[in-house]
Amino acid sequence: AQKVTQAQTEISVVEKEDVTLDCVYETRDTTYYLFWYKQPPSGELVFLIRRNSFDEQNEISGRYSWNFQKSTSSFNFTITASQVVDSAVYFCALSEGRGGSEKLVFGKGTKLTVNP
Amino acid sequence: AAGVIQSPRHLIKEKRETATLKCYPIPRHDTVYWYQQGPGQDPQFLISFYEKMQSDKGSIPDRFSAQQFSDYHSELNMSSLELGDSALYFCASSFGAGETQYFGPGTRLLVL
Repeated sequence: AQKVTQAQTEISVVEKEDVTLDCVYETRDTTYYLFWYKQPPSGELVFLIRRNSFDEQNEISGRYSWNFQKSTSSFNFTITASQVVDSAVYFCALSEGRGGSEKLVFGKGTKLTVNP
Repeated sequence: AAGVIQSPRHLIKEKRETATLKCYPIPRHDTVYWYQQGPGQDPQFLISFYEKMQSDKGSIPDRFSAQQFSDYHSELNMSSLELGDSALYFCASSFGAGETQYFGPGTRLLVL
């Protein structure tokens, strides 16, 4: 069965600090996809990144970067120089590549608060 | 760019009433997913459709049903509403199963 663990329930930082959100996943499939979504206080779910199981390259997008390590089943997310607008709940999610519907299984989320 | 549209955005119902939530996917997206998010919880998968056929089913109560129509929009029908059905209901769409799911703004349902 697939499972996503986000051990950090809440994190609080001061603006301009770097912060890393941890995500550990479990799956028996060799083909799977990992995602990060952001949920700001307004409630919508905003897609940030999708990574397939065959691509372990780290990715950087502006202040955001992702570290995918299959050896430790982790897909961590780092925000550099955090800003108040980064305050949100961040969800890591997993889907398995079986064909047909690939539902998302979410972690419990990490609530990030960036204080000015 | 066009996004997923959900209506209504807010809905208040009494116990035992019926509710219908609508979802209009991103144009050309052929797969629709429904998720339920309780207060302070992560989204839970309910059901999905690919090319108008049900493709997967999660923890959806028997009181709920859904379908996808010929124009690819989808409706989630909820009957005999219970207090515990109060939640944020998301619809997501993707172009092909397994591709990135883009979420709508959600429908916030409150059952009194």
